[in-house]
Amino acid sequence: SAVISQKPSRDICQRGTSLTIQCQVDSQVTMMFWYRQQPGQSLTLIATANQGSEATYESGFVIDKFPISRPNLTFSTLTVSNMSPEDSSIYLCSVESGWTSTDTQYFGPGTRLTVL
Amino acid sequence: AQSVTQLDSQVPVFEEAPVELRCNYSSSVSVYLFWYVQYPNQGLQLLLKYLSGSTLVKGINGFEAEFNKSQTSFHLRKPSVHISDTAEYFCAVTPLDTGGGNKLTFGTGTQLKVEL
Repeated sequence: SAVISQKPSRDICQRGTSLTIQCQVDSQVTMMFWYRQQPGQSLTLIATANQGSEATYESGFVIDKFPISRPNLTFSTLTVSNMSPEDSSIYLCSVESGWTSTDTQYFGPGTRLTVL
Repeated sequence: AQSVTQLDSQVPVFEEAPVELRCNYSSSVSVYLFWYVQYPNQGLQLLLKYLSGSTLVKGINGFEAEFNKSQTSFHLRKPSVHISDTAEYFCAVTPLDTGGGNKLTFGTGTQLKVEL
């Protein structure tokens, strides 16, 4: 299994500002994912982050709003840009050690973001 | 595309009673199925997964789930619950062997509340 930490664990931000969330894994992994969990709703995949290439975004999410970095096999960041109250959510990163659909995905504890 | 329906948003149950959390899915392709649990202020933890073979899958903490292809269901069960099982439970699916990792589609979650 993989141990995943996220920073910050929570934050309260002002409208129009940006926040960068860090995700650190205790072992090298191939796939890293970023999810959003809006209040009272399920998890929605934002993007897949692979080391050495640009992130792949899901429908409804764009790089200008959610830029992602993946500088190595144990670390990734997600930035929430020009925030509005609608961005208030829990943001979770997850990792996989393999490339196939049978691999277990491990999740971090999440970053709880409140935008005023 | 895939979708997952968890009809019960909340399930109250008394300690030591049995419980079933329902999950139905829709997909035009074959899928793998997962159940995750989220304890308060923690990340998601994998309970069990169905990839192939026996349709009855046993997971951690005494949980099991049965895959029913004809009914497109993957209900989670436990014969006797404990207070510590109080948590949010998410059903998820991913298409078989996409080669791009597990792009999980989650249901909206079921809050299991175990009472004394």
